[in-house]
Amino acid sequence: RKEVEQDPGPFNVPEGATVAFNCTYSNSASQSFFWYRQDCRKEPKLLMSVYSSGNEDGRFTAQLNRASQYISLLIRDSKLSDSATYLCVVNWGNSGYALNFGKGTSLLVTP
Amino acid sequence: EAGVVQSPRYKIIEKKQPVAFWCNPISGHNTLYWYLQNLGQGPELLIRYENEEAVDDSQLPKDRFSAERLKGVDSTLKIQPAELGDSAVYLCASSLGTGGYNEQFFGPGTRLTVL
Repeated sequence: RKEVEQDPGPFNVPEGATVAFNCTYSNSASQSFFWYRQDCRKEPKLLMSVYSSGNEDGRFTAQLNRASQYISLLIRDSKLSDSATYLCVVNWGNSGYALNFGKGTSLLVTP
Repeated sequence: EAGVVQSPRYKIIEKKQPVAFWCNPISGHNTLYWYLQNLGQGPELLIRYENEEAVDDSQLPKDRFSAERLKGVDSTLKIQPAELGDSAVYLCASSLGTGGYNEQFFGPGTRLTVL
């Protein structure tokens, strides 16, 4: 069983649309959560951390539901430059700080 | 500020040949990670260093993979001998500390093709 599961992609949306990505994780002892962004043939880069209270950064909103072991990312007013793969990342935290990545969800924003 | 540096960026070798990848982390970052990323997958941890100590190498296939970080700064990952299934992108990352909320910064990766 994959430990971090993400929505299968790709998501193709028009500019200006709102799109949501979901992610579930299997380890109830997980301690920290992130969304990373990876452009085609580039390295992953941190988009935002995800906190229990939820957090927002401009057009991006991340939510965490520990009871359901569920993380979400909402992108409002999509831009062409948002086209990328979005990786859900979970840190178990019990034996170190390695990140556990989902497969990623591909987003393509079209004109 | 310079980011994580990796070399080479691309490497093509024949199976059974050895190959080595080099990584220089961001200055002052004590924690260094090597990840493997297959096409369509997320990165998977191979080994994590805190300074010169390998503190998590449970996912490193030790029969053919080895790594070192002798002076606690740059690091080398080696495969000997390489197999067809080793074709992937090898990513190096570093972080300032070991806490769970420390951001990991990734290098551009080395894209390995084994023929």
